[in-house]
Amino acid sequence: GENVEQHPSTLSVQEGDSAVIKCTYSDSASNYFPWYKQELGKGPQLIIDIRSNVGEKKDQRIAVTLNKTAKHFSLHITETQPEDSAVYFCAASSDYKLSFGAGTTVTVRA
Amino acid sequence: GAVVSQHPSRVICKSGTSVKIECRSLDFQATTMFWYRQFPKQSLMLMATSNEGSKATYEQGVEKDKFLINHASLTLSTLTVTSAHPEDSSFYICSASGRGGQPQHFGDGTRLSIL
Repeated sequence: GENVEQHPSTLSVQEGDSAVIKCTYSDSASNYFPWYKQELGKGPQLIIDIRSNVGEKKDQRIAVTLNKTAKHFSLHITETQPEDSAVYFCAASSDYKLSFGAGTTVTVRA
Repeated sequence: GAVVSQHPSRVICKSGTSVKIECRSLDFQATTMFWYRQFPKQSLMLMATSNEGSKATYEQGVEKDKFLINHASLTLSTLTVTSAHPEDSSFYICSASGRGGQPQHFGDGTRLSIL
């Protein structure tokens, strides 16, 4: 099955700086890569996703890049704000199921 | 759009009780619904997948007689934890997707505590 590795497990950044989270996947058939943000006591919220026919996607301060050859994808958050503090999960899918990374706890210091 | 509502948000009950959790897609038809379990500071673990009108497909190691799933309509799926015991205490989260399979939209989870 699919194996998704996510790094780092924790990330502390100064407000206004950028945050980058990286994920690798094992199944070359995976073609859909969403990123979710989970706040304490809540369910995951989809923040951005990318499909395998696209190399990069941007939505305001959030961007995702995908390198199919290397089988890795990354989340970039620019101009971080305190409300960006949360746990972020990457995931990969080749069908209807999602395989999740272990998560990254992001703390934005004011 | 794409709102998934999960109820209740928190349940505390005695050992041996059966607990039902509801998951509703409010503004789209959920062809497929998923149930996850999440332990503290860990990732989401898929328990089962259900399609409307069909029997759920359970992941390896998940007891189907313990975790009963019903997906009776395109907007509602339920998870019943039967004869719950303290080891069943966890955060249960549902998600739903429409036609095409992705993306999955998640509910806000149910914190289940068995005393």
